[in-house]
Amino acid sequence: GQSLEQPSEVTAVEGAIVQINCTYQTSGFYGLSWYQQHDGGAPTFLSYNALDGLEETGRFSSFLSRSDSYGYLLLQELQMKDSASYFCAVRATSGNTGKLIFGQGTTLQVKP
Amino acid sequence: GAVVSQHPSWVICKSGTSVKIECRSLDFQATTMFWYRQFPKQSLMLMATSNEGSKATYEQGVEKDKFLINHASLTLSTLTVTSAHPEDSSFYICSAPEQGARYEQYFGPGTRLTVT
Repeated sequence: GQSLEQPSEVTAVEGAIVQINCTYQTSGFYGLSWYQQHDGGAPTFLSYNALDGLEETGRFSSFLSRSDSYGYLLLQELQMKDSASYFCAVRATSGNTGKLIFGQGTTLQVKP
Repeated sequence: GAVVSQHPSWVICKSGTSVKIECRSLDFQATTMFWYRQFPKQSLMLMATSNEGSKATYEQGVEKDKFLINHASLTLSTLTVTSAHPEDSSFYICSAPEQGARYEQYFGPGTRLTVT
């Protein structure tokens, strides 16, 4: 089967740093992506890791360890607008049209 | 970035009727699109892969005769929920993949379906 595990909820204060972990077990693995979704909205792309290591994009960073089937999303200098659900997703098939398998999502609540 | 639209944004229908949802890539061509459904506070569940010019590929457990997918052009995929029932009420979202190195998927704004 395919499974991705991530915490269901995380709470942090403005300005803090938060890390959202994701462990996966899938039949195919071609990369790990992170998406943000605000209530009632569409998921938006945050980052993608195909190889081990850290990818940094502004306040957001993402890490992957393929040997551990593990990745995380790091959000720095948290802002109120970062309150949203965050999903890790494994690209389960190859090629540009590879399908994504999503984790259950982590609800991040940022408090003043 | 690329834009994907969906229509309608919300729809209410009666049990037993069919509902068609459109997904369009507005400024790029998409030979492949994906359809997801999402229940409140839950994850996105992949329903099927829509392929332009050929049959859709359905995920295990998804009834292909109930959720009809047609990908008639390089910019349009449609999902028809046939003989809808209250348990089909959900948020349906489509996406189209980027043809670049990040394999980013662009998501439509979603369609809220309520079956009464």
